[in-house]
Amino acid sequence: AQSVTQPDIHITVSEGASLELRCNYSYGATPYLFWYVQSPGQGLQLLLKYFSGDTLVQGIKGFEAEFKRSQSSFNLRKPSVHWSDAAEYFCAVGASTGGFKTIFGAGTRLFVKA
Amino acid sequence: SQTIHQWPATLVQPVGSPLSLECTVEGTSNPNLYWYRQAAGRGLQLLFYSVGIGQISSEVPQNLSASRPQDRQFILSSKKLLLSDSGFYLCAWRETSPGELFFGEGSRLTVL
Repeated sequence: AQSVTQPDIHITVSEGASLELRCNYSYGATPYLFWYVQSPGQGLQLLLKYFSGDTLVQGIKGFEAEFKRSQSSFNLRKPSVHWSDAAEYFCAVGASTGGFKTIFGAGTRLFVKA
Repeated sequence: SQTIHQWPATLVQPVGSPLSLECTVEGTSNPNLYWYRQAAGRGLQLLFYSVGIGQISSEVPQNLSASRPQDRQFILSSKKLLLSDSGFYLCAWRETSPGELFFGEGSRLTVL
């Protein structure tokens, strides 16, 4: 069974500063990896995904993530954070069988200070 | 284009009352459908998923059940709600394998 760990419950960064959100996964086969963002009281929106190929993937809103198989990690980065990026971010791993279940991490809440 | 509708958006129910949350997807056929629950300050817990009409897989033993009476309709139910059923319920669908999930806007359930 797959699992996802997001070690940081919350992170505070200054507007304009760089951001890195950590994600480690556990899955016995090739993982399908995702990052989603959730604004309060709303559903989740996909930021980016990794299925295969280039290990550095670009997403929406200026986000990128790098897949590192040796470290079982898929960290999310942004070079310059905007106040509108304040939200909760979820890393997820999808299985290749069994209804393609997608398992989510506990999330990291991002606070942006002026 | 595909859309997903989830209702009701907000629900306040007494303990022991029944529950029915409905989710409908438009613009696609034979999607995989999912119900997740998000408790306060916690991640998303997969409750049920369905790969076809009448096919339901349960991930966590609990007080809830799910049904898929039509191709693009997914219903989450309970006969008697518990306090612990409170939370934010999210319906999602996926078309391709592999592929990302597309989420509804969620239903917030408060059990008093």
